[in-house]
Amino acid sequence: EAGVAQSPRYKIIEKRQSVAFWCNPISGHATLYWYQQILGQGPKLLIQFQNNGVVDDSQLPKDRFSAERLKGVDSTLKIQPAKLEDSAVYLCASSLGTSATNEKLFFGSGTQLSVL
Amino acid sequence: KQEVTQIPAALSVPEGENLVLNCSFTDSAIYNLQWFRQDPGKGLTSLLLIQSSQREQTSGRLNASLDKSSGRSTLYIAASQPGDSATYLCAVRAKGTNAGKSTFGDGTTLTVKP
Repeated sequence: EAGVAQSPRYKIIEKRQSVAFWCNPISGHATLYWYQQILGQGPKLLIQFQNNGVVDDSQLPKDRFSAERLKGVDSTLKIQPAKLEDSAVYLCASSLGTSATNEKLFFGSGTQLSVL
Repeated sequence: KQEVTQIPAALSVPEGENLVLNCSFTDSAIYNLQWFRQDPGKGLTSLLLIQSSQREQTSGRLNASLDKSSGRSTLYIAASQPGDSATYLCAVRAKGTNAGKSTFGDGTTLTVKP
């Protein structure tokens, strides 16, 4: 079974530039999550989709971050413009069912972003 | 608001030792607790998932326990090996108003010395 796919693996940009990350969840998984992990900390949820609808985006800095999940499958996360404090690993995860059930999370390898 | 704490932040042991990693959480209204392993520069690999109705789960040299009433979970690693060196994270999946939201601890970084 293929896992969660993410690209790119690494990205280096200068502050005020824009960047986009892509995620393809496990086939058939209804729920998709984007997490931000700052060095030395645990992942923090940015946004959660169920199919192509947003379940929770309360922690997404909407002035600069945006995300979409077209057709309820793959997803893109964009940052525009980037700030130094956005340097982190961006992790995508998926789970099989709805967000309110007893589900197991599966993670991709992440995108390591460095903002200079 | 759910808070998850993992102590210690770092642990170093000689090869062959048995060890216990701790995870505590403040809100017992959870669906499950999941333990993950993270190697440097990599994503998270699921190790064990304990449902709220369960007390423990085992996989090979790993055993995870859950005491929901006290808000604690432990991950026991038997006969540790250098290949076990990694960061171990726990995550609790909430019920109620934050249903389905998983909150992570900051992890315990384990070093197993040959």
